[in-house]
Amino acid sequence: QQQVKQSPQSLIVQKGGISIINCAYENTAFDYFPWYQQFPGKGPALLIAIRPDVSEKKEGRFTISFNKSAKQFSLHIMDSQPGDSATYFCAASTNSGNTPLVFGKGTRLSVIA
Amino acid sequence: DGGITQSPKYLFRKEGQNVTLSCEQNLNHDAMYWYRQDPGQGLRLIYYSQIVNDFQKGDIAEGYSVSREKKESFPLTVTSAQKNPTAFYLCASRGTLGGYGYTFGSGTRLTVV
Repeated sequence: QQQVKQSPQSLIVQKGGISIINCAYENTAFDYFPWYQQFPGKGPALLIAIRPDVSEKKEGRFTISFNKSAKQFSLHIMDSQPGDSATYFCAASTNSGNTPLVFGKGTRLSVIA
Repeated sequence: DGGITQSPKYLFRKEGQNVTLSCEQNLNHDAMYWYRQDPGQGLRLIYYSQIVNDFQKGDIAEGYSVSREKKESFPLTVTSAQKNPTAFYLCASRGTLGGYGYTFGSGTRLTVV
């Protein structure tokens, strides 16, 4: 019930391509869905987040798509660049973010030239 | 600059030894969290605290202990009861204003020798 399932585990994308990472959840009480980006040896950093009252949120090249009925959300990285190579985590929490985040297992993205 | 400081960056523990990981924040955040990161496992919650002098167990609290005597500090002790402590440990904090995103420290890599 508390799990967030993330796929794929790893992803290789050509420079300029679109990277897509998917997450699914079961707990319908989740109401906050952030994505984090982590570079090796560093802590994760908040990339973008969405709440279930909207179906899409865009910030620069990063877009979250949210499907409430399917209990799925995804991260799209447009015009992927080698500097985007990192591990990406989806997460979710309840109570408007007041309960601890539950994280997916991560996706290692490699953008190759 | 406001942020979270974790120390040390690298820590080596002998079998049967207790070690303490430091986490200090100057963001005036109420809530603080400890996560453990293992390859392919994502981030798993060890302990969290939403207010001074109060903390709750996360999903993998066995073999760990914490204290929250000051708002700024949330140290984690890895005890000898933790049989597999080698991992990357991440501390995070969250404020109650301006969204619900976590700010993470840069992590401590603990290795058993």
